Amino acid sequence: GAVVSQHPSWVICKSGTSVKIECRSLDFQATTMFWYRQFPKQSLMLMATSNEGSKATYEQGVEKDKFLINHASLTLSTLTVTSAHPEDSSFYICSARSGTASPGNTIYFGEGSWLTVV
Amino acid sequence: DAKTTQPPSMDCAEGRAANLPCNHSTISGNEYVYWYRQIHSQGPQYIIHGLKNNETNEMASLIITEDRKSSTLILPHATLRDTAVYYCIVRVGGGTYKYIFGTGTRLKVLA
Repeated sequence: GAVVSQHPSWVICKSGTSVKIECRSLDFQATTMFWYRQFPKQSLMLMATSNEGSKATYEQGVEKDKFLINHASLTLSTLTVTSAHPEDSSFYICSARSGTASPGNTIYFGEGSWLTVV
Repeated sequence: DAKTTQPPSMDCAEGRAANLPCNHSTISGNEYVYWYRQIHSQGPQYIIHGLKNNETNEMASLIITEDRKSSTLILPHATLRDTAVYYCIVRVGGGTYKYIFGTGTRLKVLA
């Protein structure tokens, strides 16, 4: 299957600082990328959908000014957690889809990024 | 909201077939059923997907009922490495076809 890579795999940052997580599609052009967060022993929660060259669409309850998403190219999307606090500590996962939004078009997930805010 | 329901957990003996059920009674005519699994602390791994016909690949088989209201993922010879949380997903349509995850089934393969 297609390869999606995230960087960094884990990061520790101080409370009040910002941290950026990158998501890259390595062998295909990703027209759409999705960002999820996952707390321990819980399922994945969709945070936002981003289309290349457009503003991200955020799910209800997700603060767009806190979780900045940029999808400037067909192979790269970034999630910036601004003014991070300990409650933002979580596992962040991106996924990517090539081509158009059709019912049978599969998406592939990155390895995830662990964020710990101290 | 997720459009699927799955049992929270299942056990399976190593070497035996693991049959994971999923209910998706509100599925629409053009919506596919997708299966992913997540091994601890990793991103979800794609397994298989289907629309109405049964599907098989090198990892698993997917059996979809004729009314499409439920499906079963079959791992024919489960190994200890198949221990994971398995998610059955029917994508939310309307443009971007978002993947909304339910709670999944935690499969434990026993030696």
